[in-house]
Amino acid sequence: GQQVMQIPQYQHVQEGEDFTTYCNSSTTLSNIQWYKQRPGGHPVFLIQLVKSGEVKKQKRLTFQFGEAKKNSSLHITATQTTDVGTYFCAGFNFNKFYFGSGTKLNVKP
Amino acid sequence: EPEVTQTPSHQVTQMGQEVILRCVPISNHLYFYWYRQILGQKVEFLVSFYNNEISEKSEIFDDQFSVERPDGSNFTLKIRSTKLEDSAMYFCASSEALQAGVYNEQFFGPGTRLTVL
Repeated sequence: GQQVMQIPQYQHVQEGEDFTTYCNSSTTLSNIQWYKQRPGGHPVFLIQLVKSGEVKKQKRLTFQFGEAKKNSSLHITATQTTDVGTYFCAGFNFNKFYFGSGTKLNVKP
Repeated sequence: EPEVTQTPSHQVTQMGQEVILRCVPISNHLYFYWYRQILGQKVEFLVSFYNNEISEKSEIFDDQFSVERPDGSNFTLKIRSTKLEDSAMYFCASSEALQAGVYNEQFFGPGTRLTVL
């Protein structure tokens, strides 16, 4: 069946370094959403991408949706300790939802 | 700001017992969801619910599970004959109606931690 694979599983960075997580789907997605889950918390919506090749920015966060709508990435510039958490992508294909396994980001001050 | 609420925050039950997890979605939302997250693992989709019926369900959502919207505000997940492996955090989420066939952002509740002994 369809899966959304997310890499890396873990990432440890020094504060100020950049961070990127990638989501790859085996089939074309209609749209993709990104969520952040702080330790002990619940997922919180960050952004949604719908169009092929779409790029959206939120301050230090840049989100991309691939041309084939099969992959997506989240890039954080100059990480801060407040960026700590697990970042999940959620790919949508018709009525089906596929959450990526998440990338756990740890930022050392 | 409106939010999704869930009760209880923690439920402990004996293996084989039935549990009901409760959620109050955001009032003007039309889509409701249940997710499961085993400790340290990814969020897993269980079921979506729209217009008083299941819209989509995953392979995890078998006959052991059922959902209901008993009134205008609550959305419940019933787990029958609980097993040890049902121990997890269960999140409820809700979203507004689809727009141009695209799902809107989901608002997650704080979760119910289910412990099966």
